[in-house]
Amino acid sequence: AQSVTQPDIHITVSEGASLELRCNYSYGATPYLFWYVQSPGQGLQLLLKYFSGDTLVQGIKGFEAEFKRSQSSFNLRKPSVHWSDAAEYFCAVGASGTYKYIFGTGTRLKVLA
Amino acid sequence: NAGVTQTPKFRVLKTGQSMTLLCAQDMNHEYMYWYRQDPGMGLRLIHYSVGEGTTAKGEVPDGYNVSRLKKQNFLLGLESAAPSQTSVYFCASSIGVARTEAFFGQGTRLTVV
Repeated sequence: AQSVTQPDIHITVSEGASLELRCNYSYGATPYLFWYVQSPGQGLQLLLKYFSGDTLVQGIKGFEAEFKRSQSSFNLRKPSVHWSDAAEYFCAVGASGTYKYIFGTGTRLKVLA
Repeated sequence: NAGVTQTPKFRVLKTGQSMTLLCAQDMNHEYMYWYRQDPGMGLRLIHYSVGEGTTAKGEVPDGYNVSRLKKQNFLLGLESAAPSQTSVYFCASSIGVARTEAFFGQGTRLTVV
């Protein structure tokens, strides 16, 4: 069965530090992968997506993610975190043929001043 | 540009009451989805629709009904609300191709007392 795992429920980093949020997926075919961000009280906003080509994808707000097929991972990174990045981050996979999106349980990011 | 609009944004119901959540999108998307978000559980798909007049069950459909009479609207109904349905509900829409992202509304926070 298709699934998405985000191992870290909470992560705390200092402002200016680098960030990596982990995402592992289980999917039989080539996955379509997404990272969304949810600020408090808001809906989900797309940060970036991968479906083919270059395995390092760039997104909005200075985020990037790398697709590693051998590790079934799609980790999100940012070189220098800003206080406004404090939010919840969701990894998702698009299930080809069913047109459904499967979400991980989310990682809540706290940024220390 | 409105995107995906949900009404209402907040609601408190008494156990046993009924209500309808409305989702409207102005992007001419074929696919629409209702998710619920609960702490530590990410987003779980309740029902979805692949086009006007069609609906299908997601992973947690019990206690909910949906209708898609018009392409731009997707209604979620609770016939007899239960405290277990206290949650944040998100509507989303997409073109219907797995490599493209879903667009989300701002959410409806529902409390059943």
